[in-house]
Amino acid sequence: DAGVIQSPRHEVTEMGQEVTLRCKPISGHDYLFWYRQTMMRGLELLIYFNNNVPIDDSGMPEDRFSAKMPNASFSTLKIQPSEPRDSAVYFCASSRGLAGGHEQYFGPGTRLTVT
Amino acid sequence: GNSVTQMEGPVTLSEEAFLTINCTYTATGYPSLFWYVQYPGEGLQLLLKATKADDKGSNKGFEATYRKETTSFHLEKGSVQVSDSAVYFCALSERETSGSRLTFGEGTQLTVNP
Repeated sequence: DAGVIQSPRHEVTEMGQEVTLRCKPISGHDYLFWYRQTMMRGLELLIYFNNNVPIDDSGMPEDRFSAKMPNASFSTLKIQPSEPRDSAVYFCASSRGLAGGHEQYFGPGTRLTVT
Repeated sequence: GNSVTQMEGPVTLSEEAFLTINCTYTATGYPSLFWYVQYPGEGLQLLLKATKADDKGSNKGFEATYRKETTSFHLEKGSVQVSDSAVYFCALSERETSGSRLTFGEGTQLTVNP
């Protein structure tokens, strides 16, 4: 399997622009997670899905952030409008839940820079 | 709620030194415990895991034993290499209360010098 795929790997945008991050989980995995990592706050869970349904979005920082999972093989994280404080590395991870022992497999991340 | 506490970093060692990174946890049920490693510029990778008390997880010379009595899961390696330089995260999953969600520690930066 190719592992979790994220795109783009790097994104540089100006404040106020819309940013869309994409994730393809490992086939057969029923959980998908979005994380944000910064030096100041470390690794934060933003939202996670089970069988394409959002289960917990309490980590989403504010209404500017939204996430969707239209099918089992694709998810997006959108920031609109973007702000400089959104600059971070965003990771997507997937797992097979209980059947897979809860091990999460991480993608390579998207490094977002908002100027 | 669940929580994971790791020893503060950064940790700097010379090659072939012994490594211990402490991890303790708080959980209401019976968690599975994990160590993840993040190499520079990459995502997190599972290093090892243990699913019940007294289990020992091991991989690439690293070991950790699930100690329920001390609620700990300390990471050890007998002889570190420069290539082990990375950030190490301790994590737990408590399936009864959080499904497949992981609770991570803060991470410990390890630098190994030649």
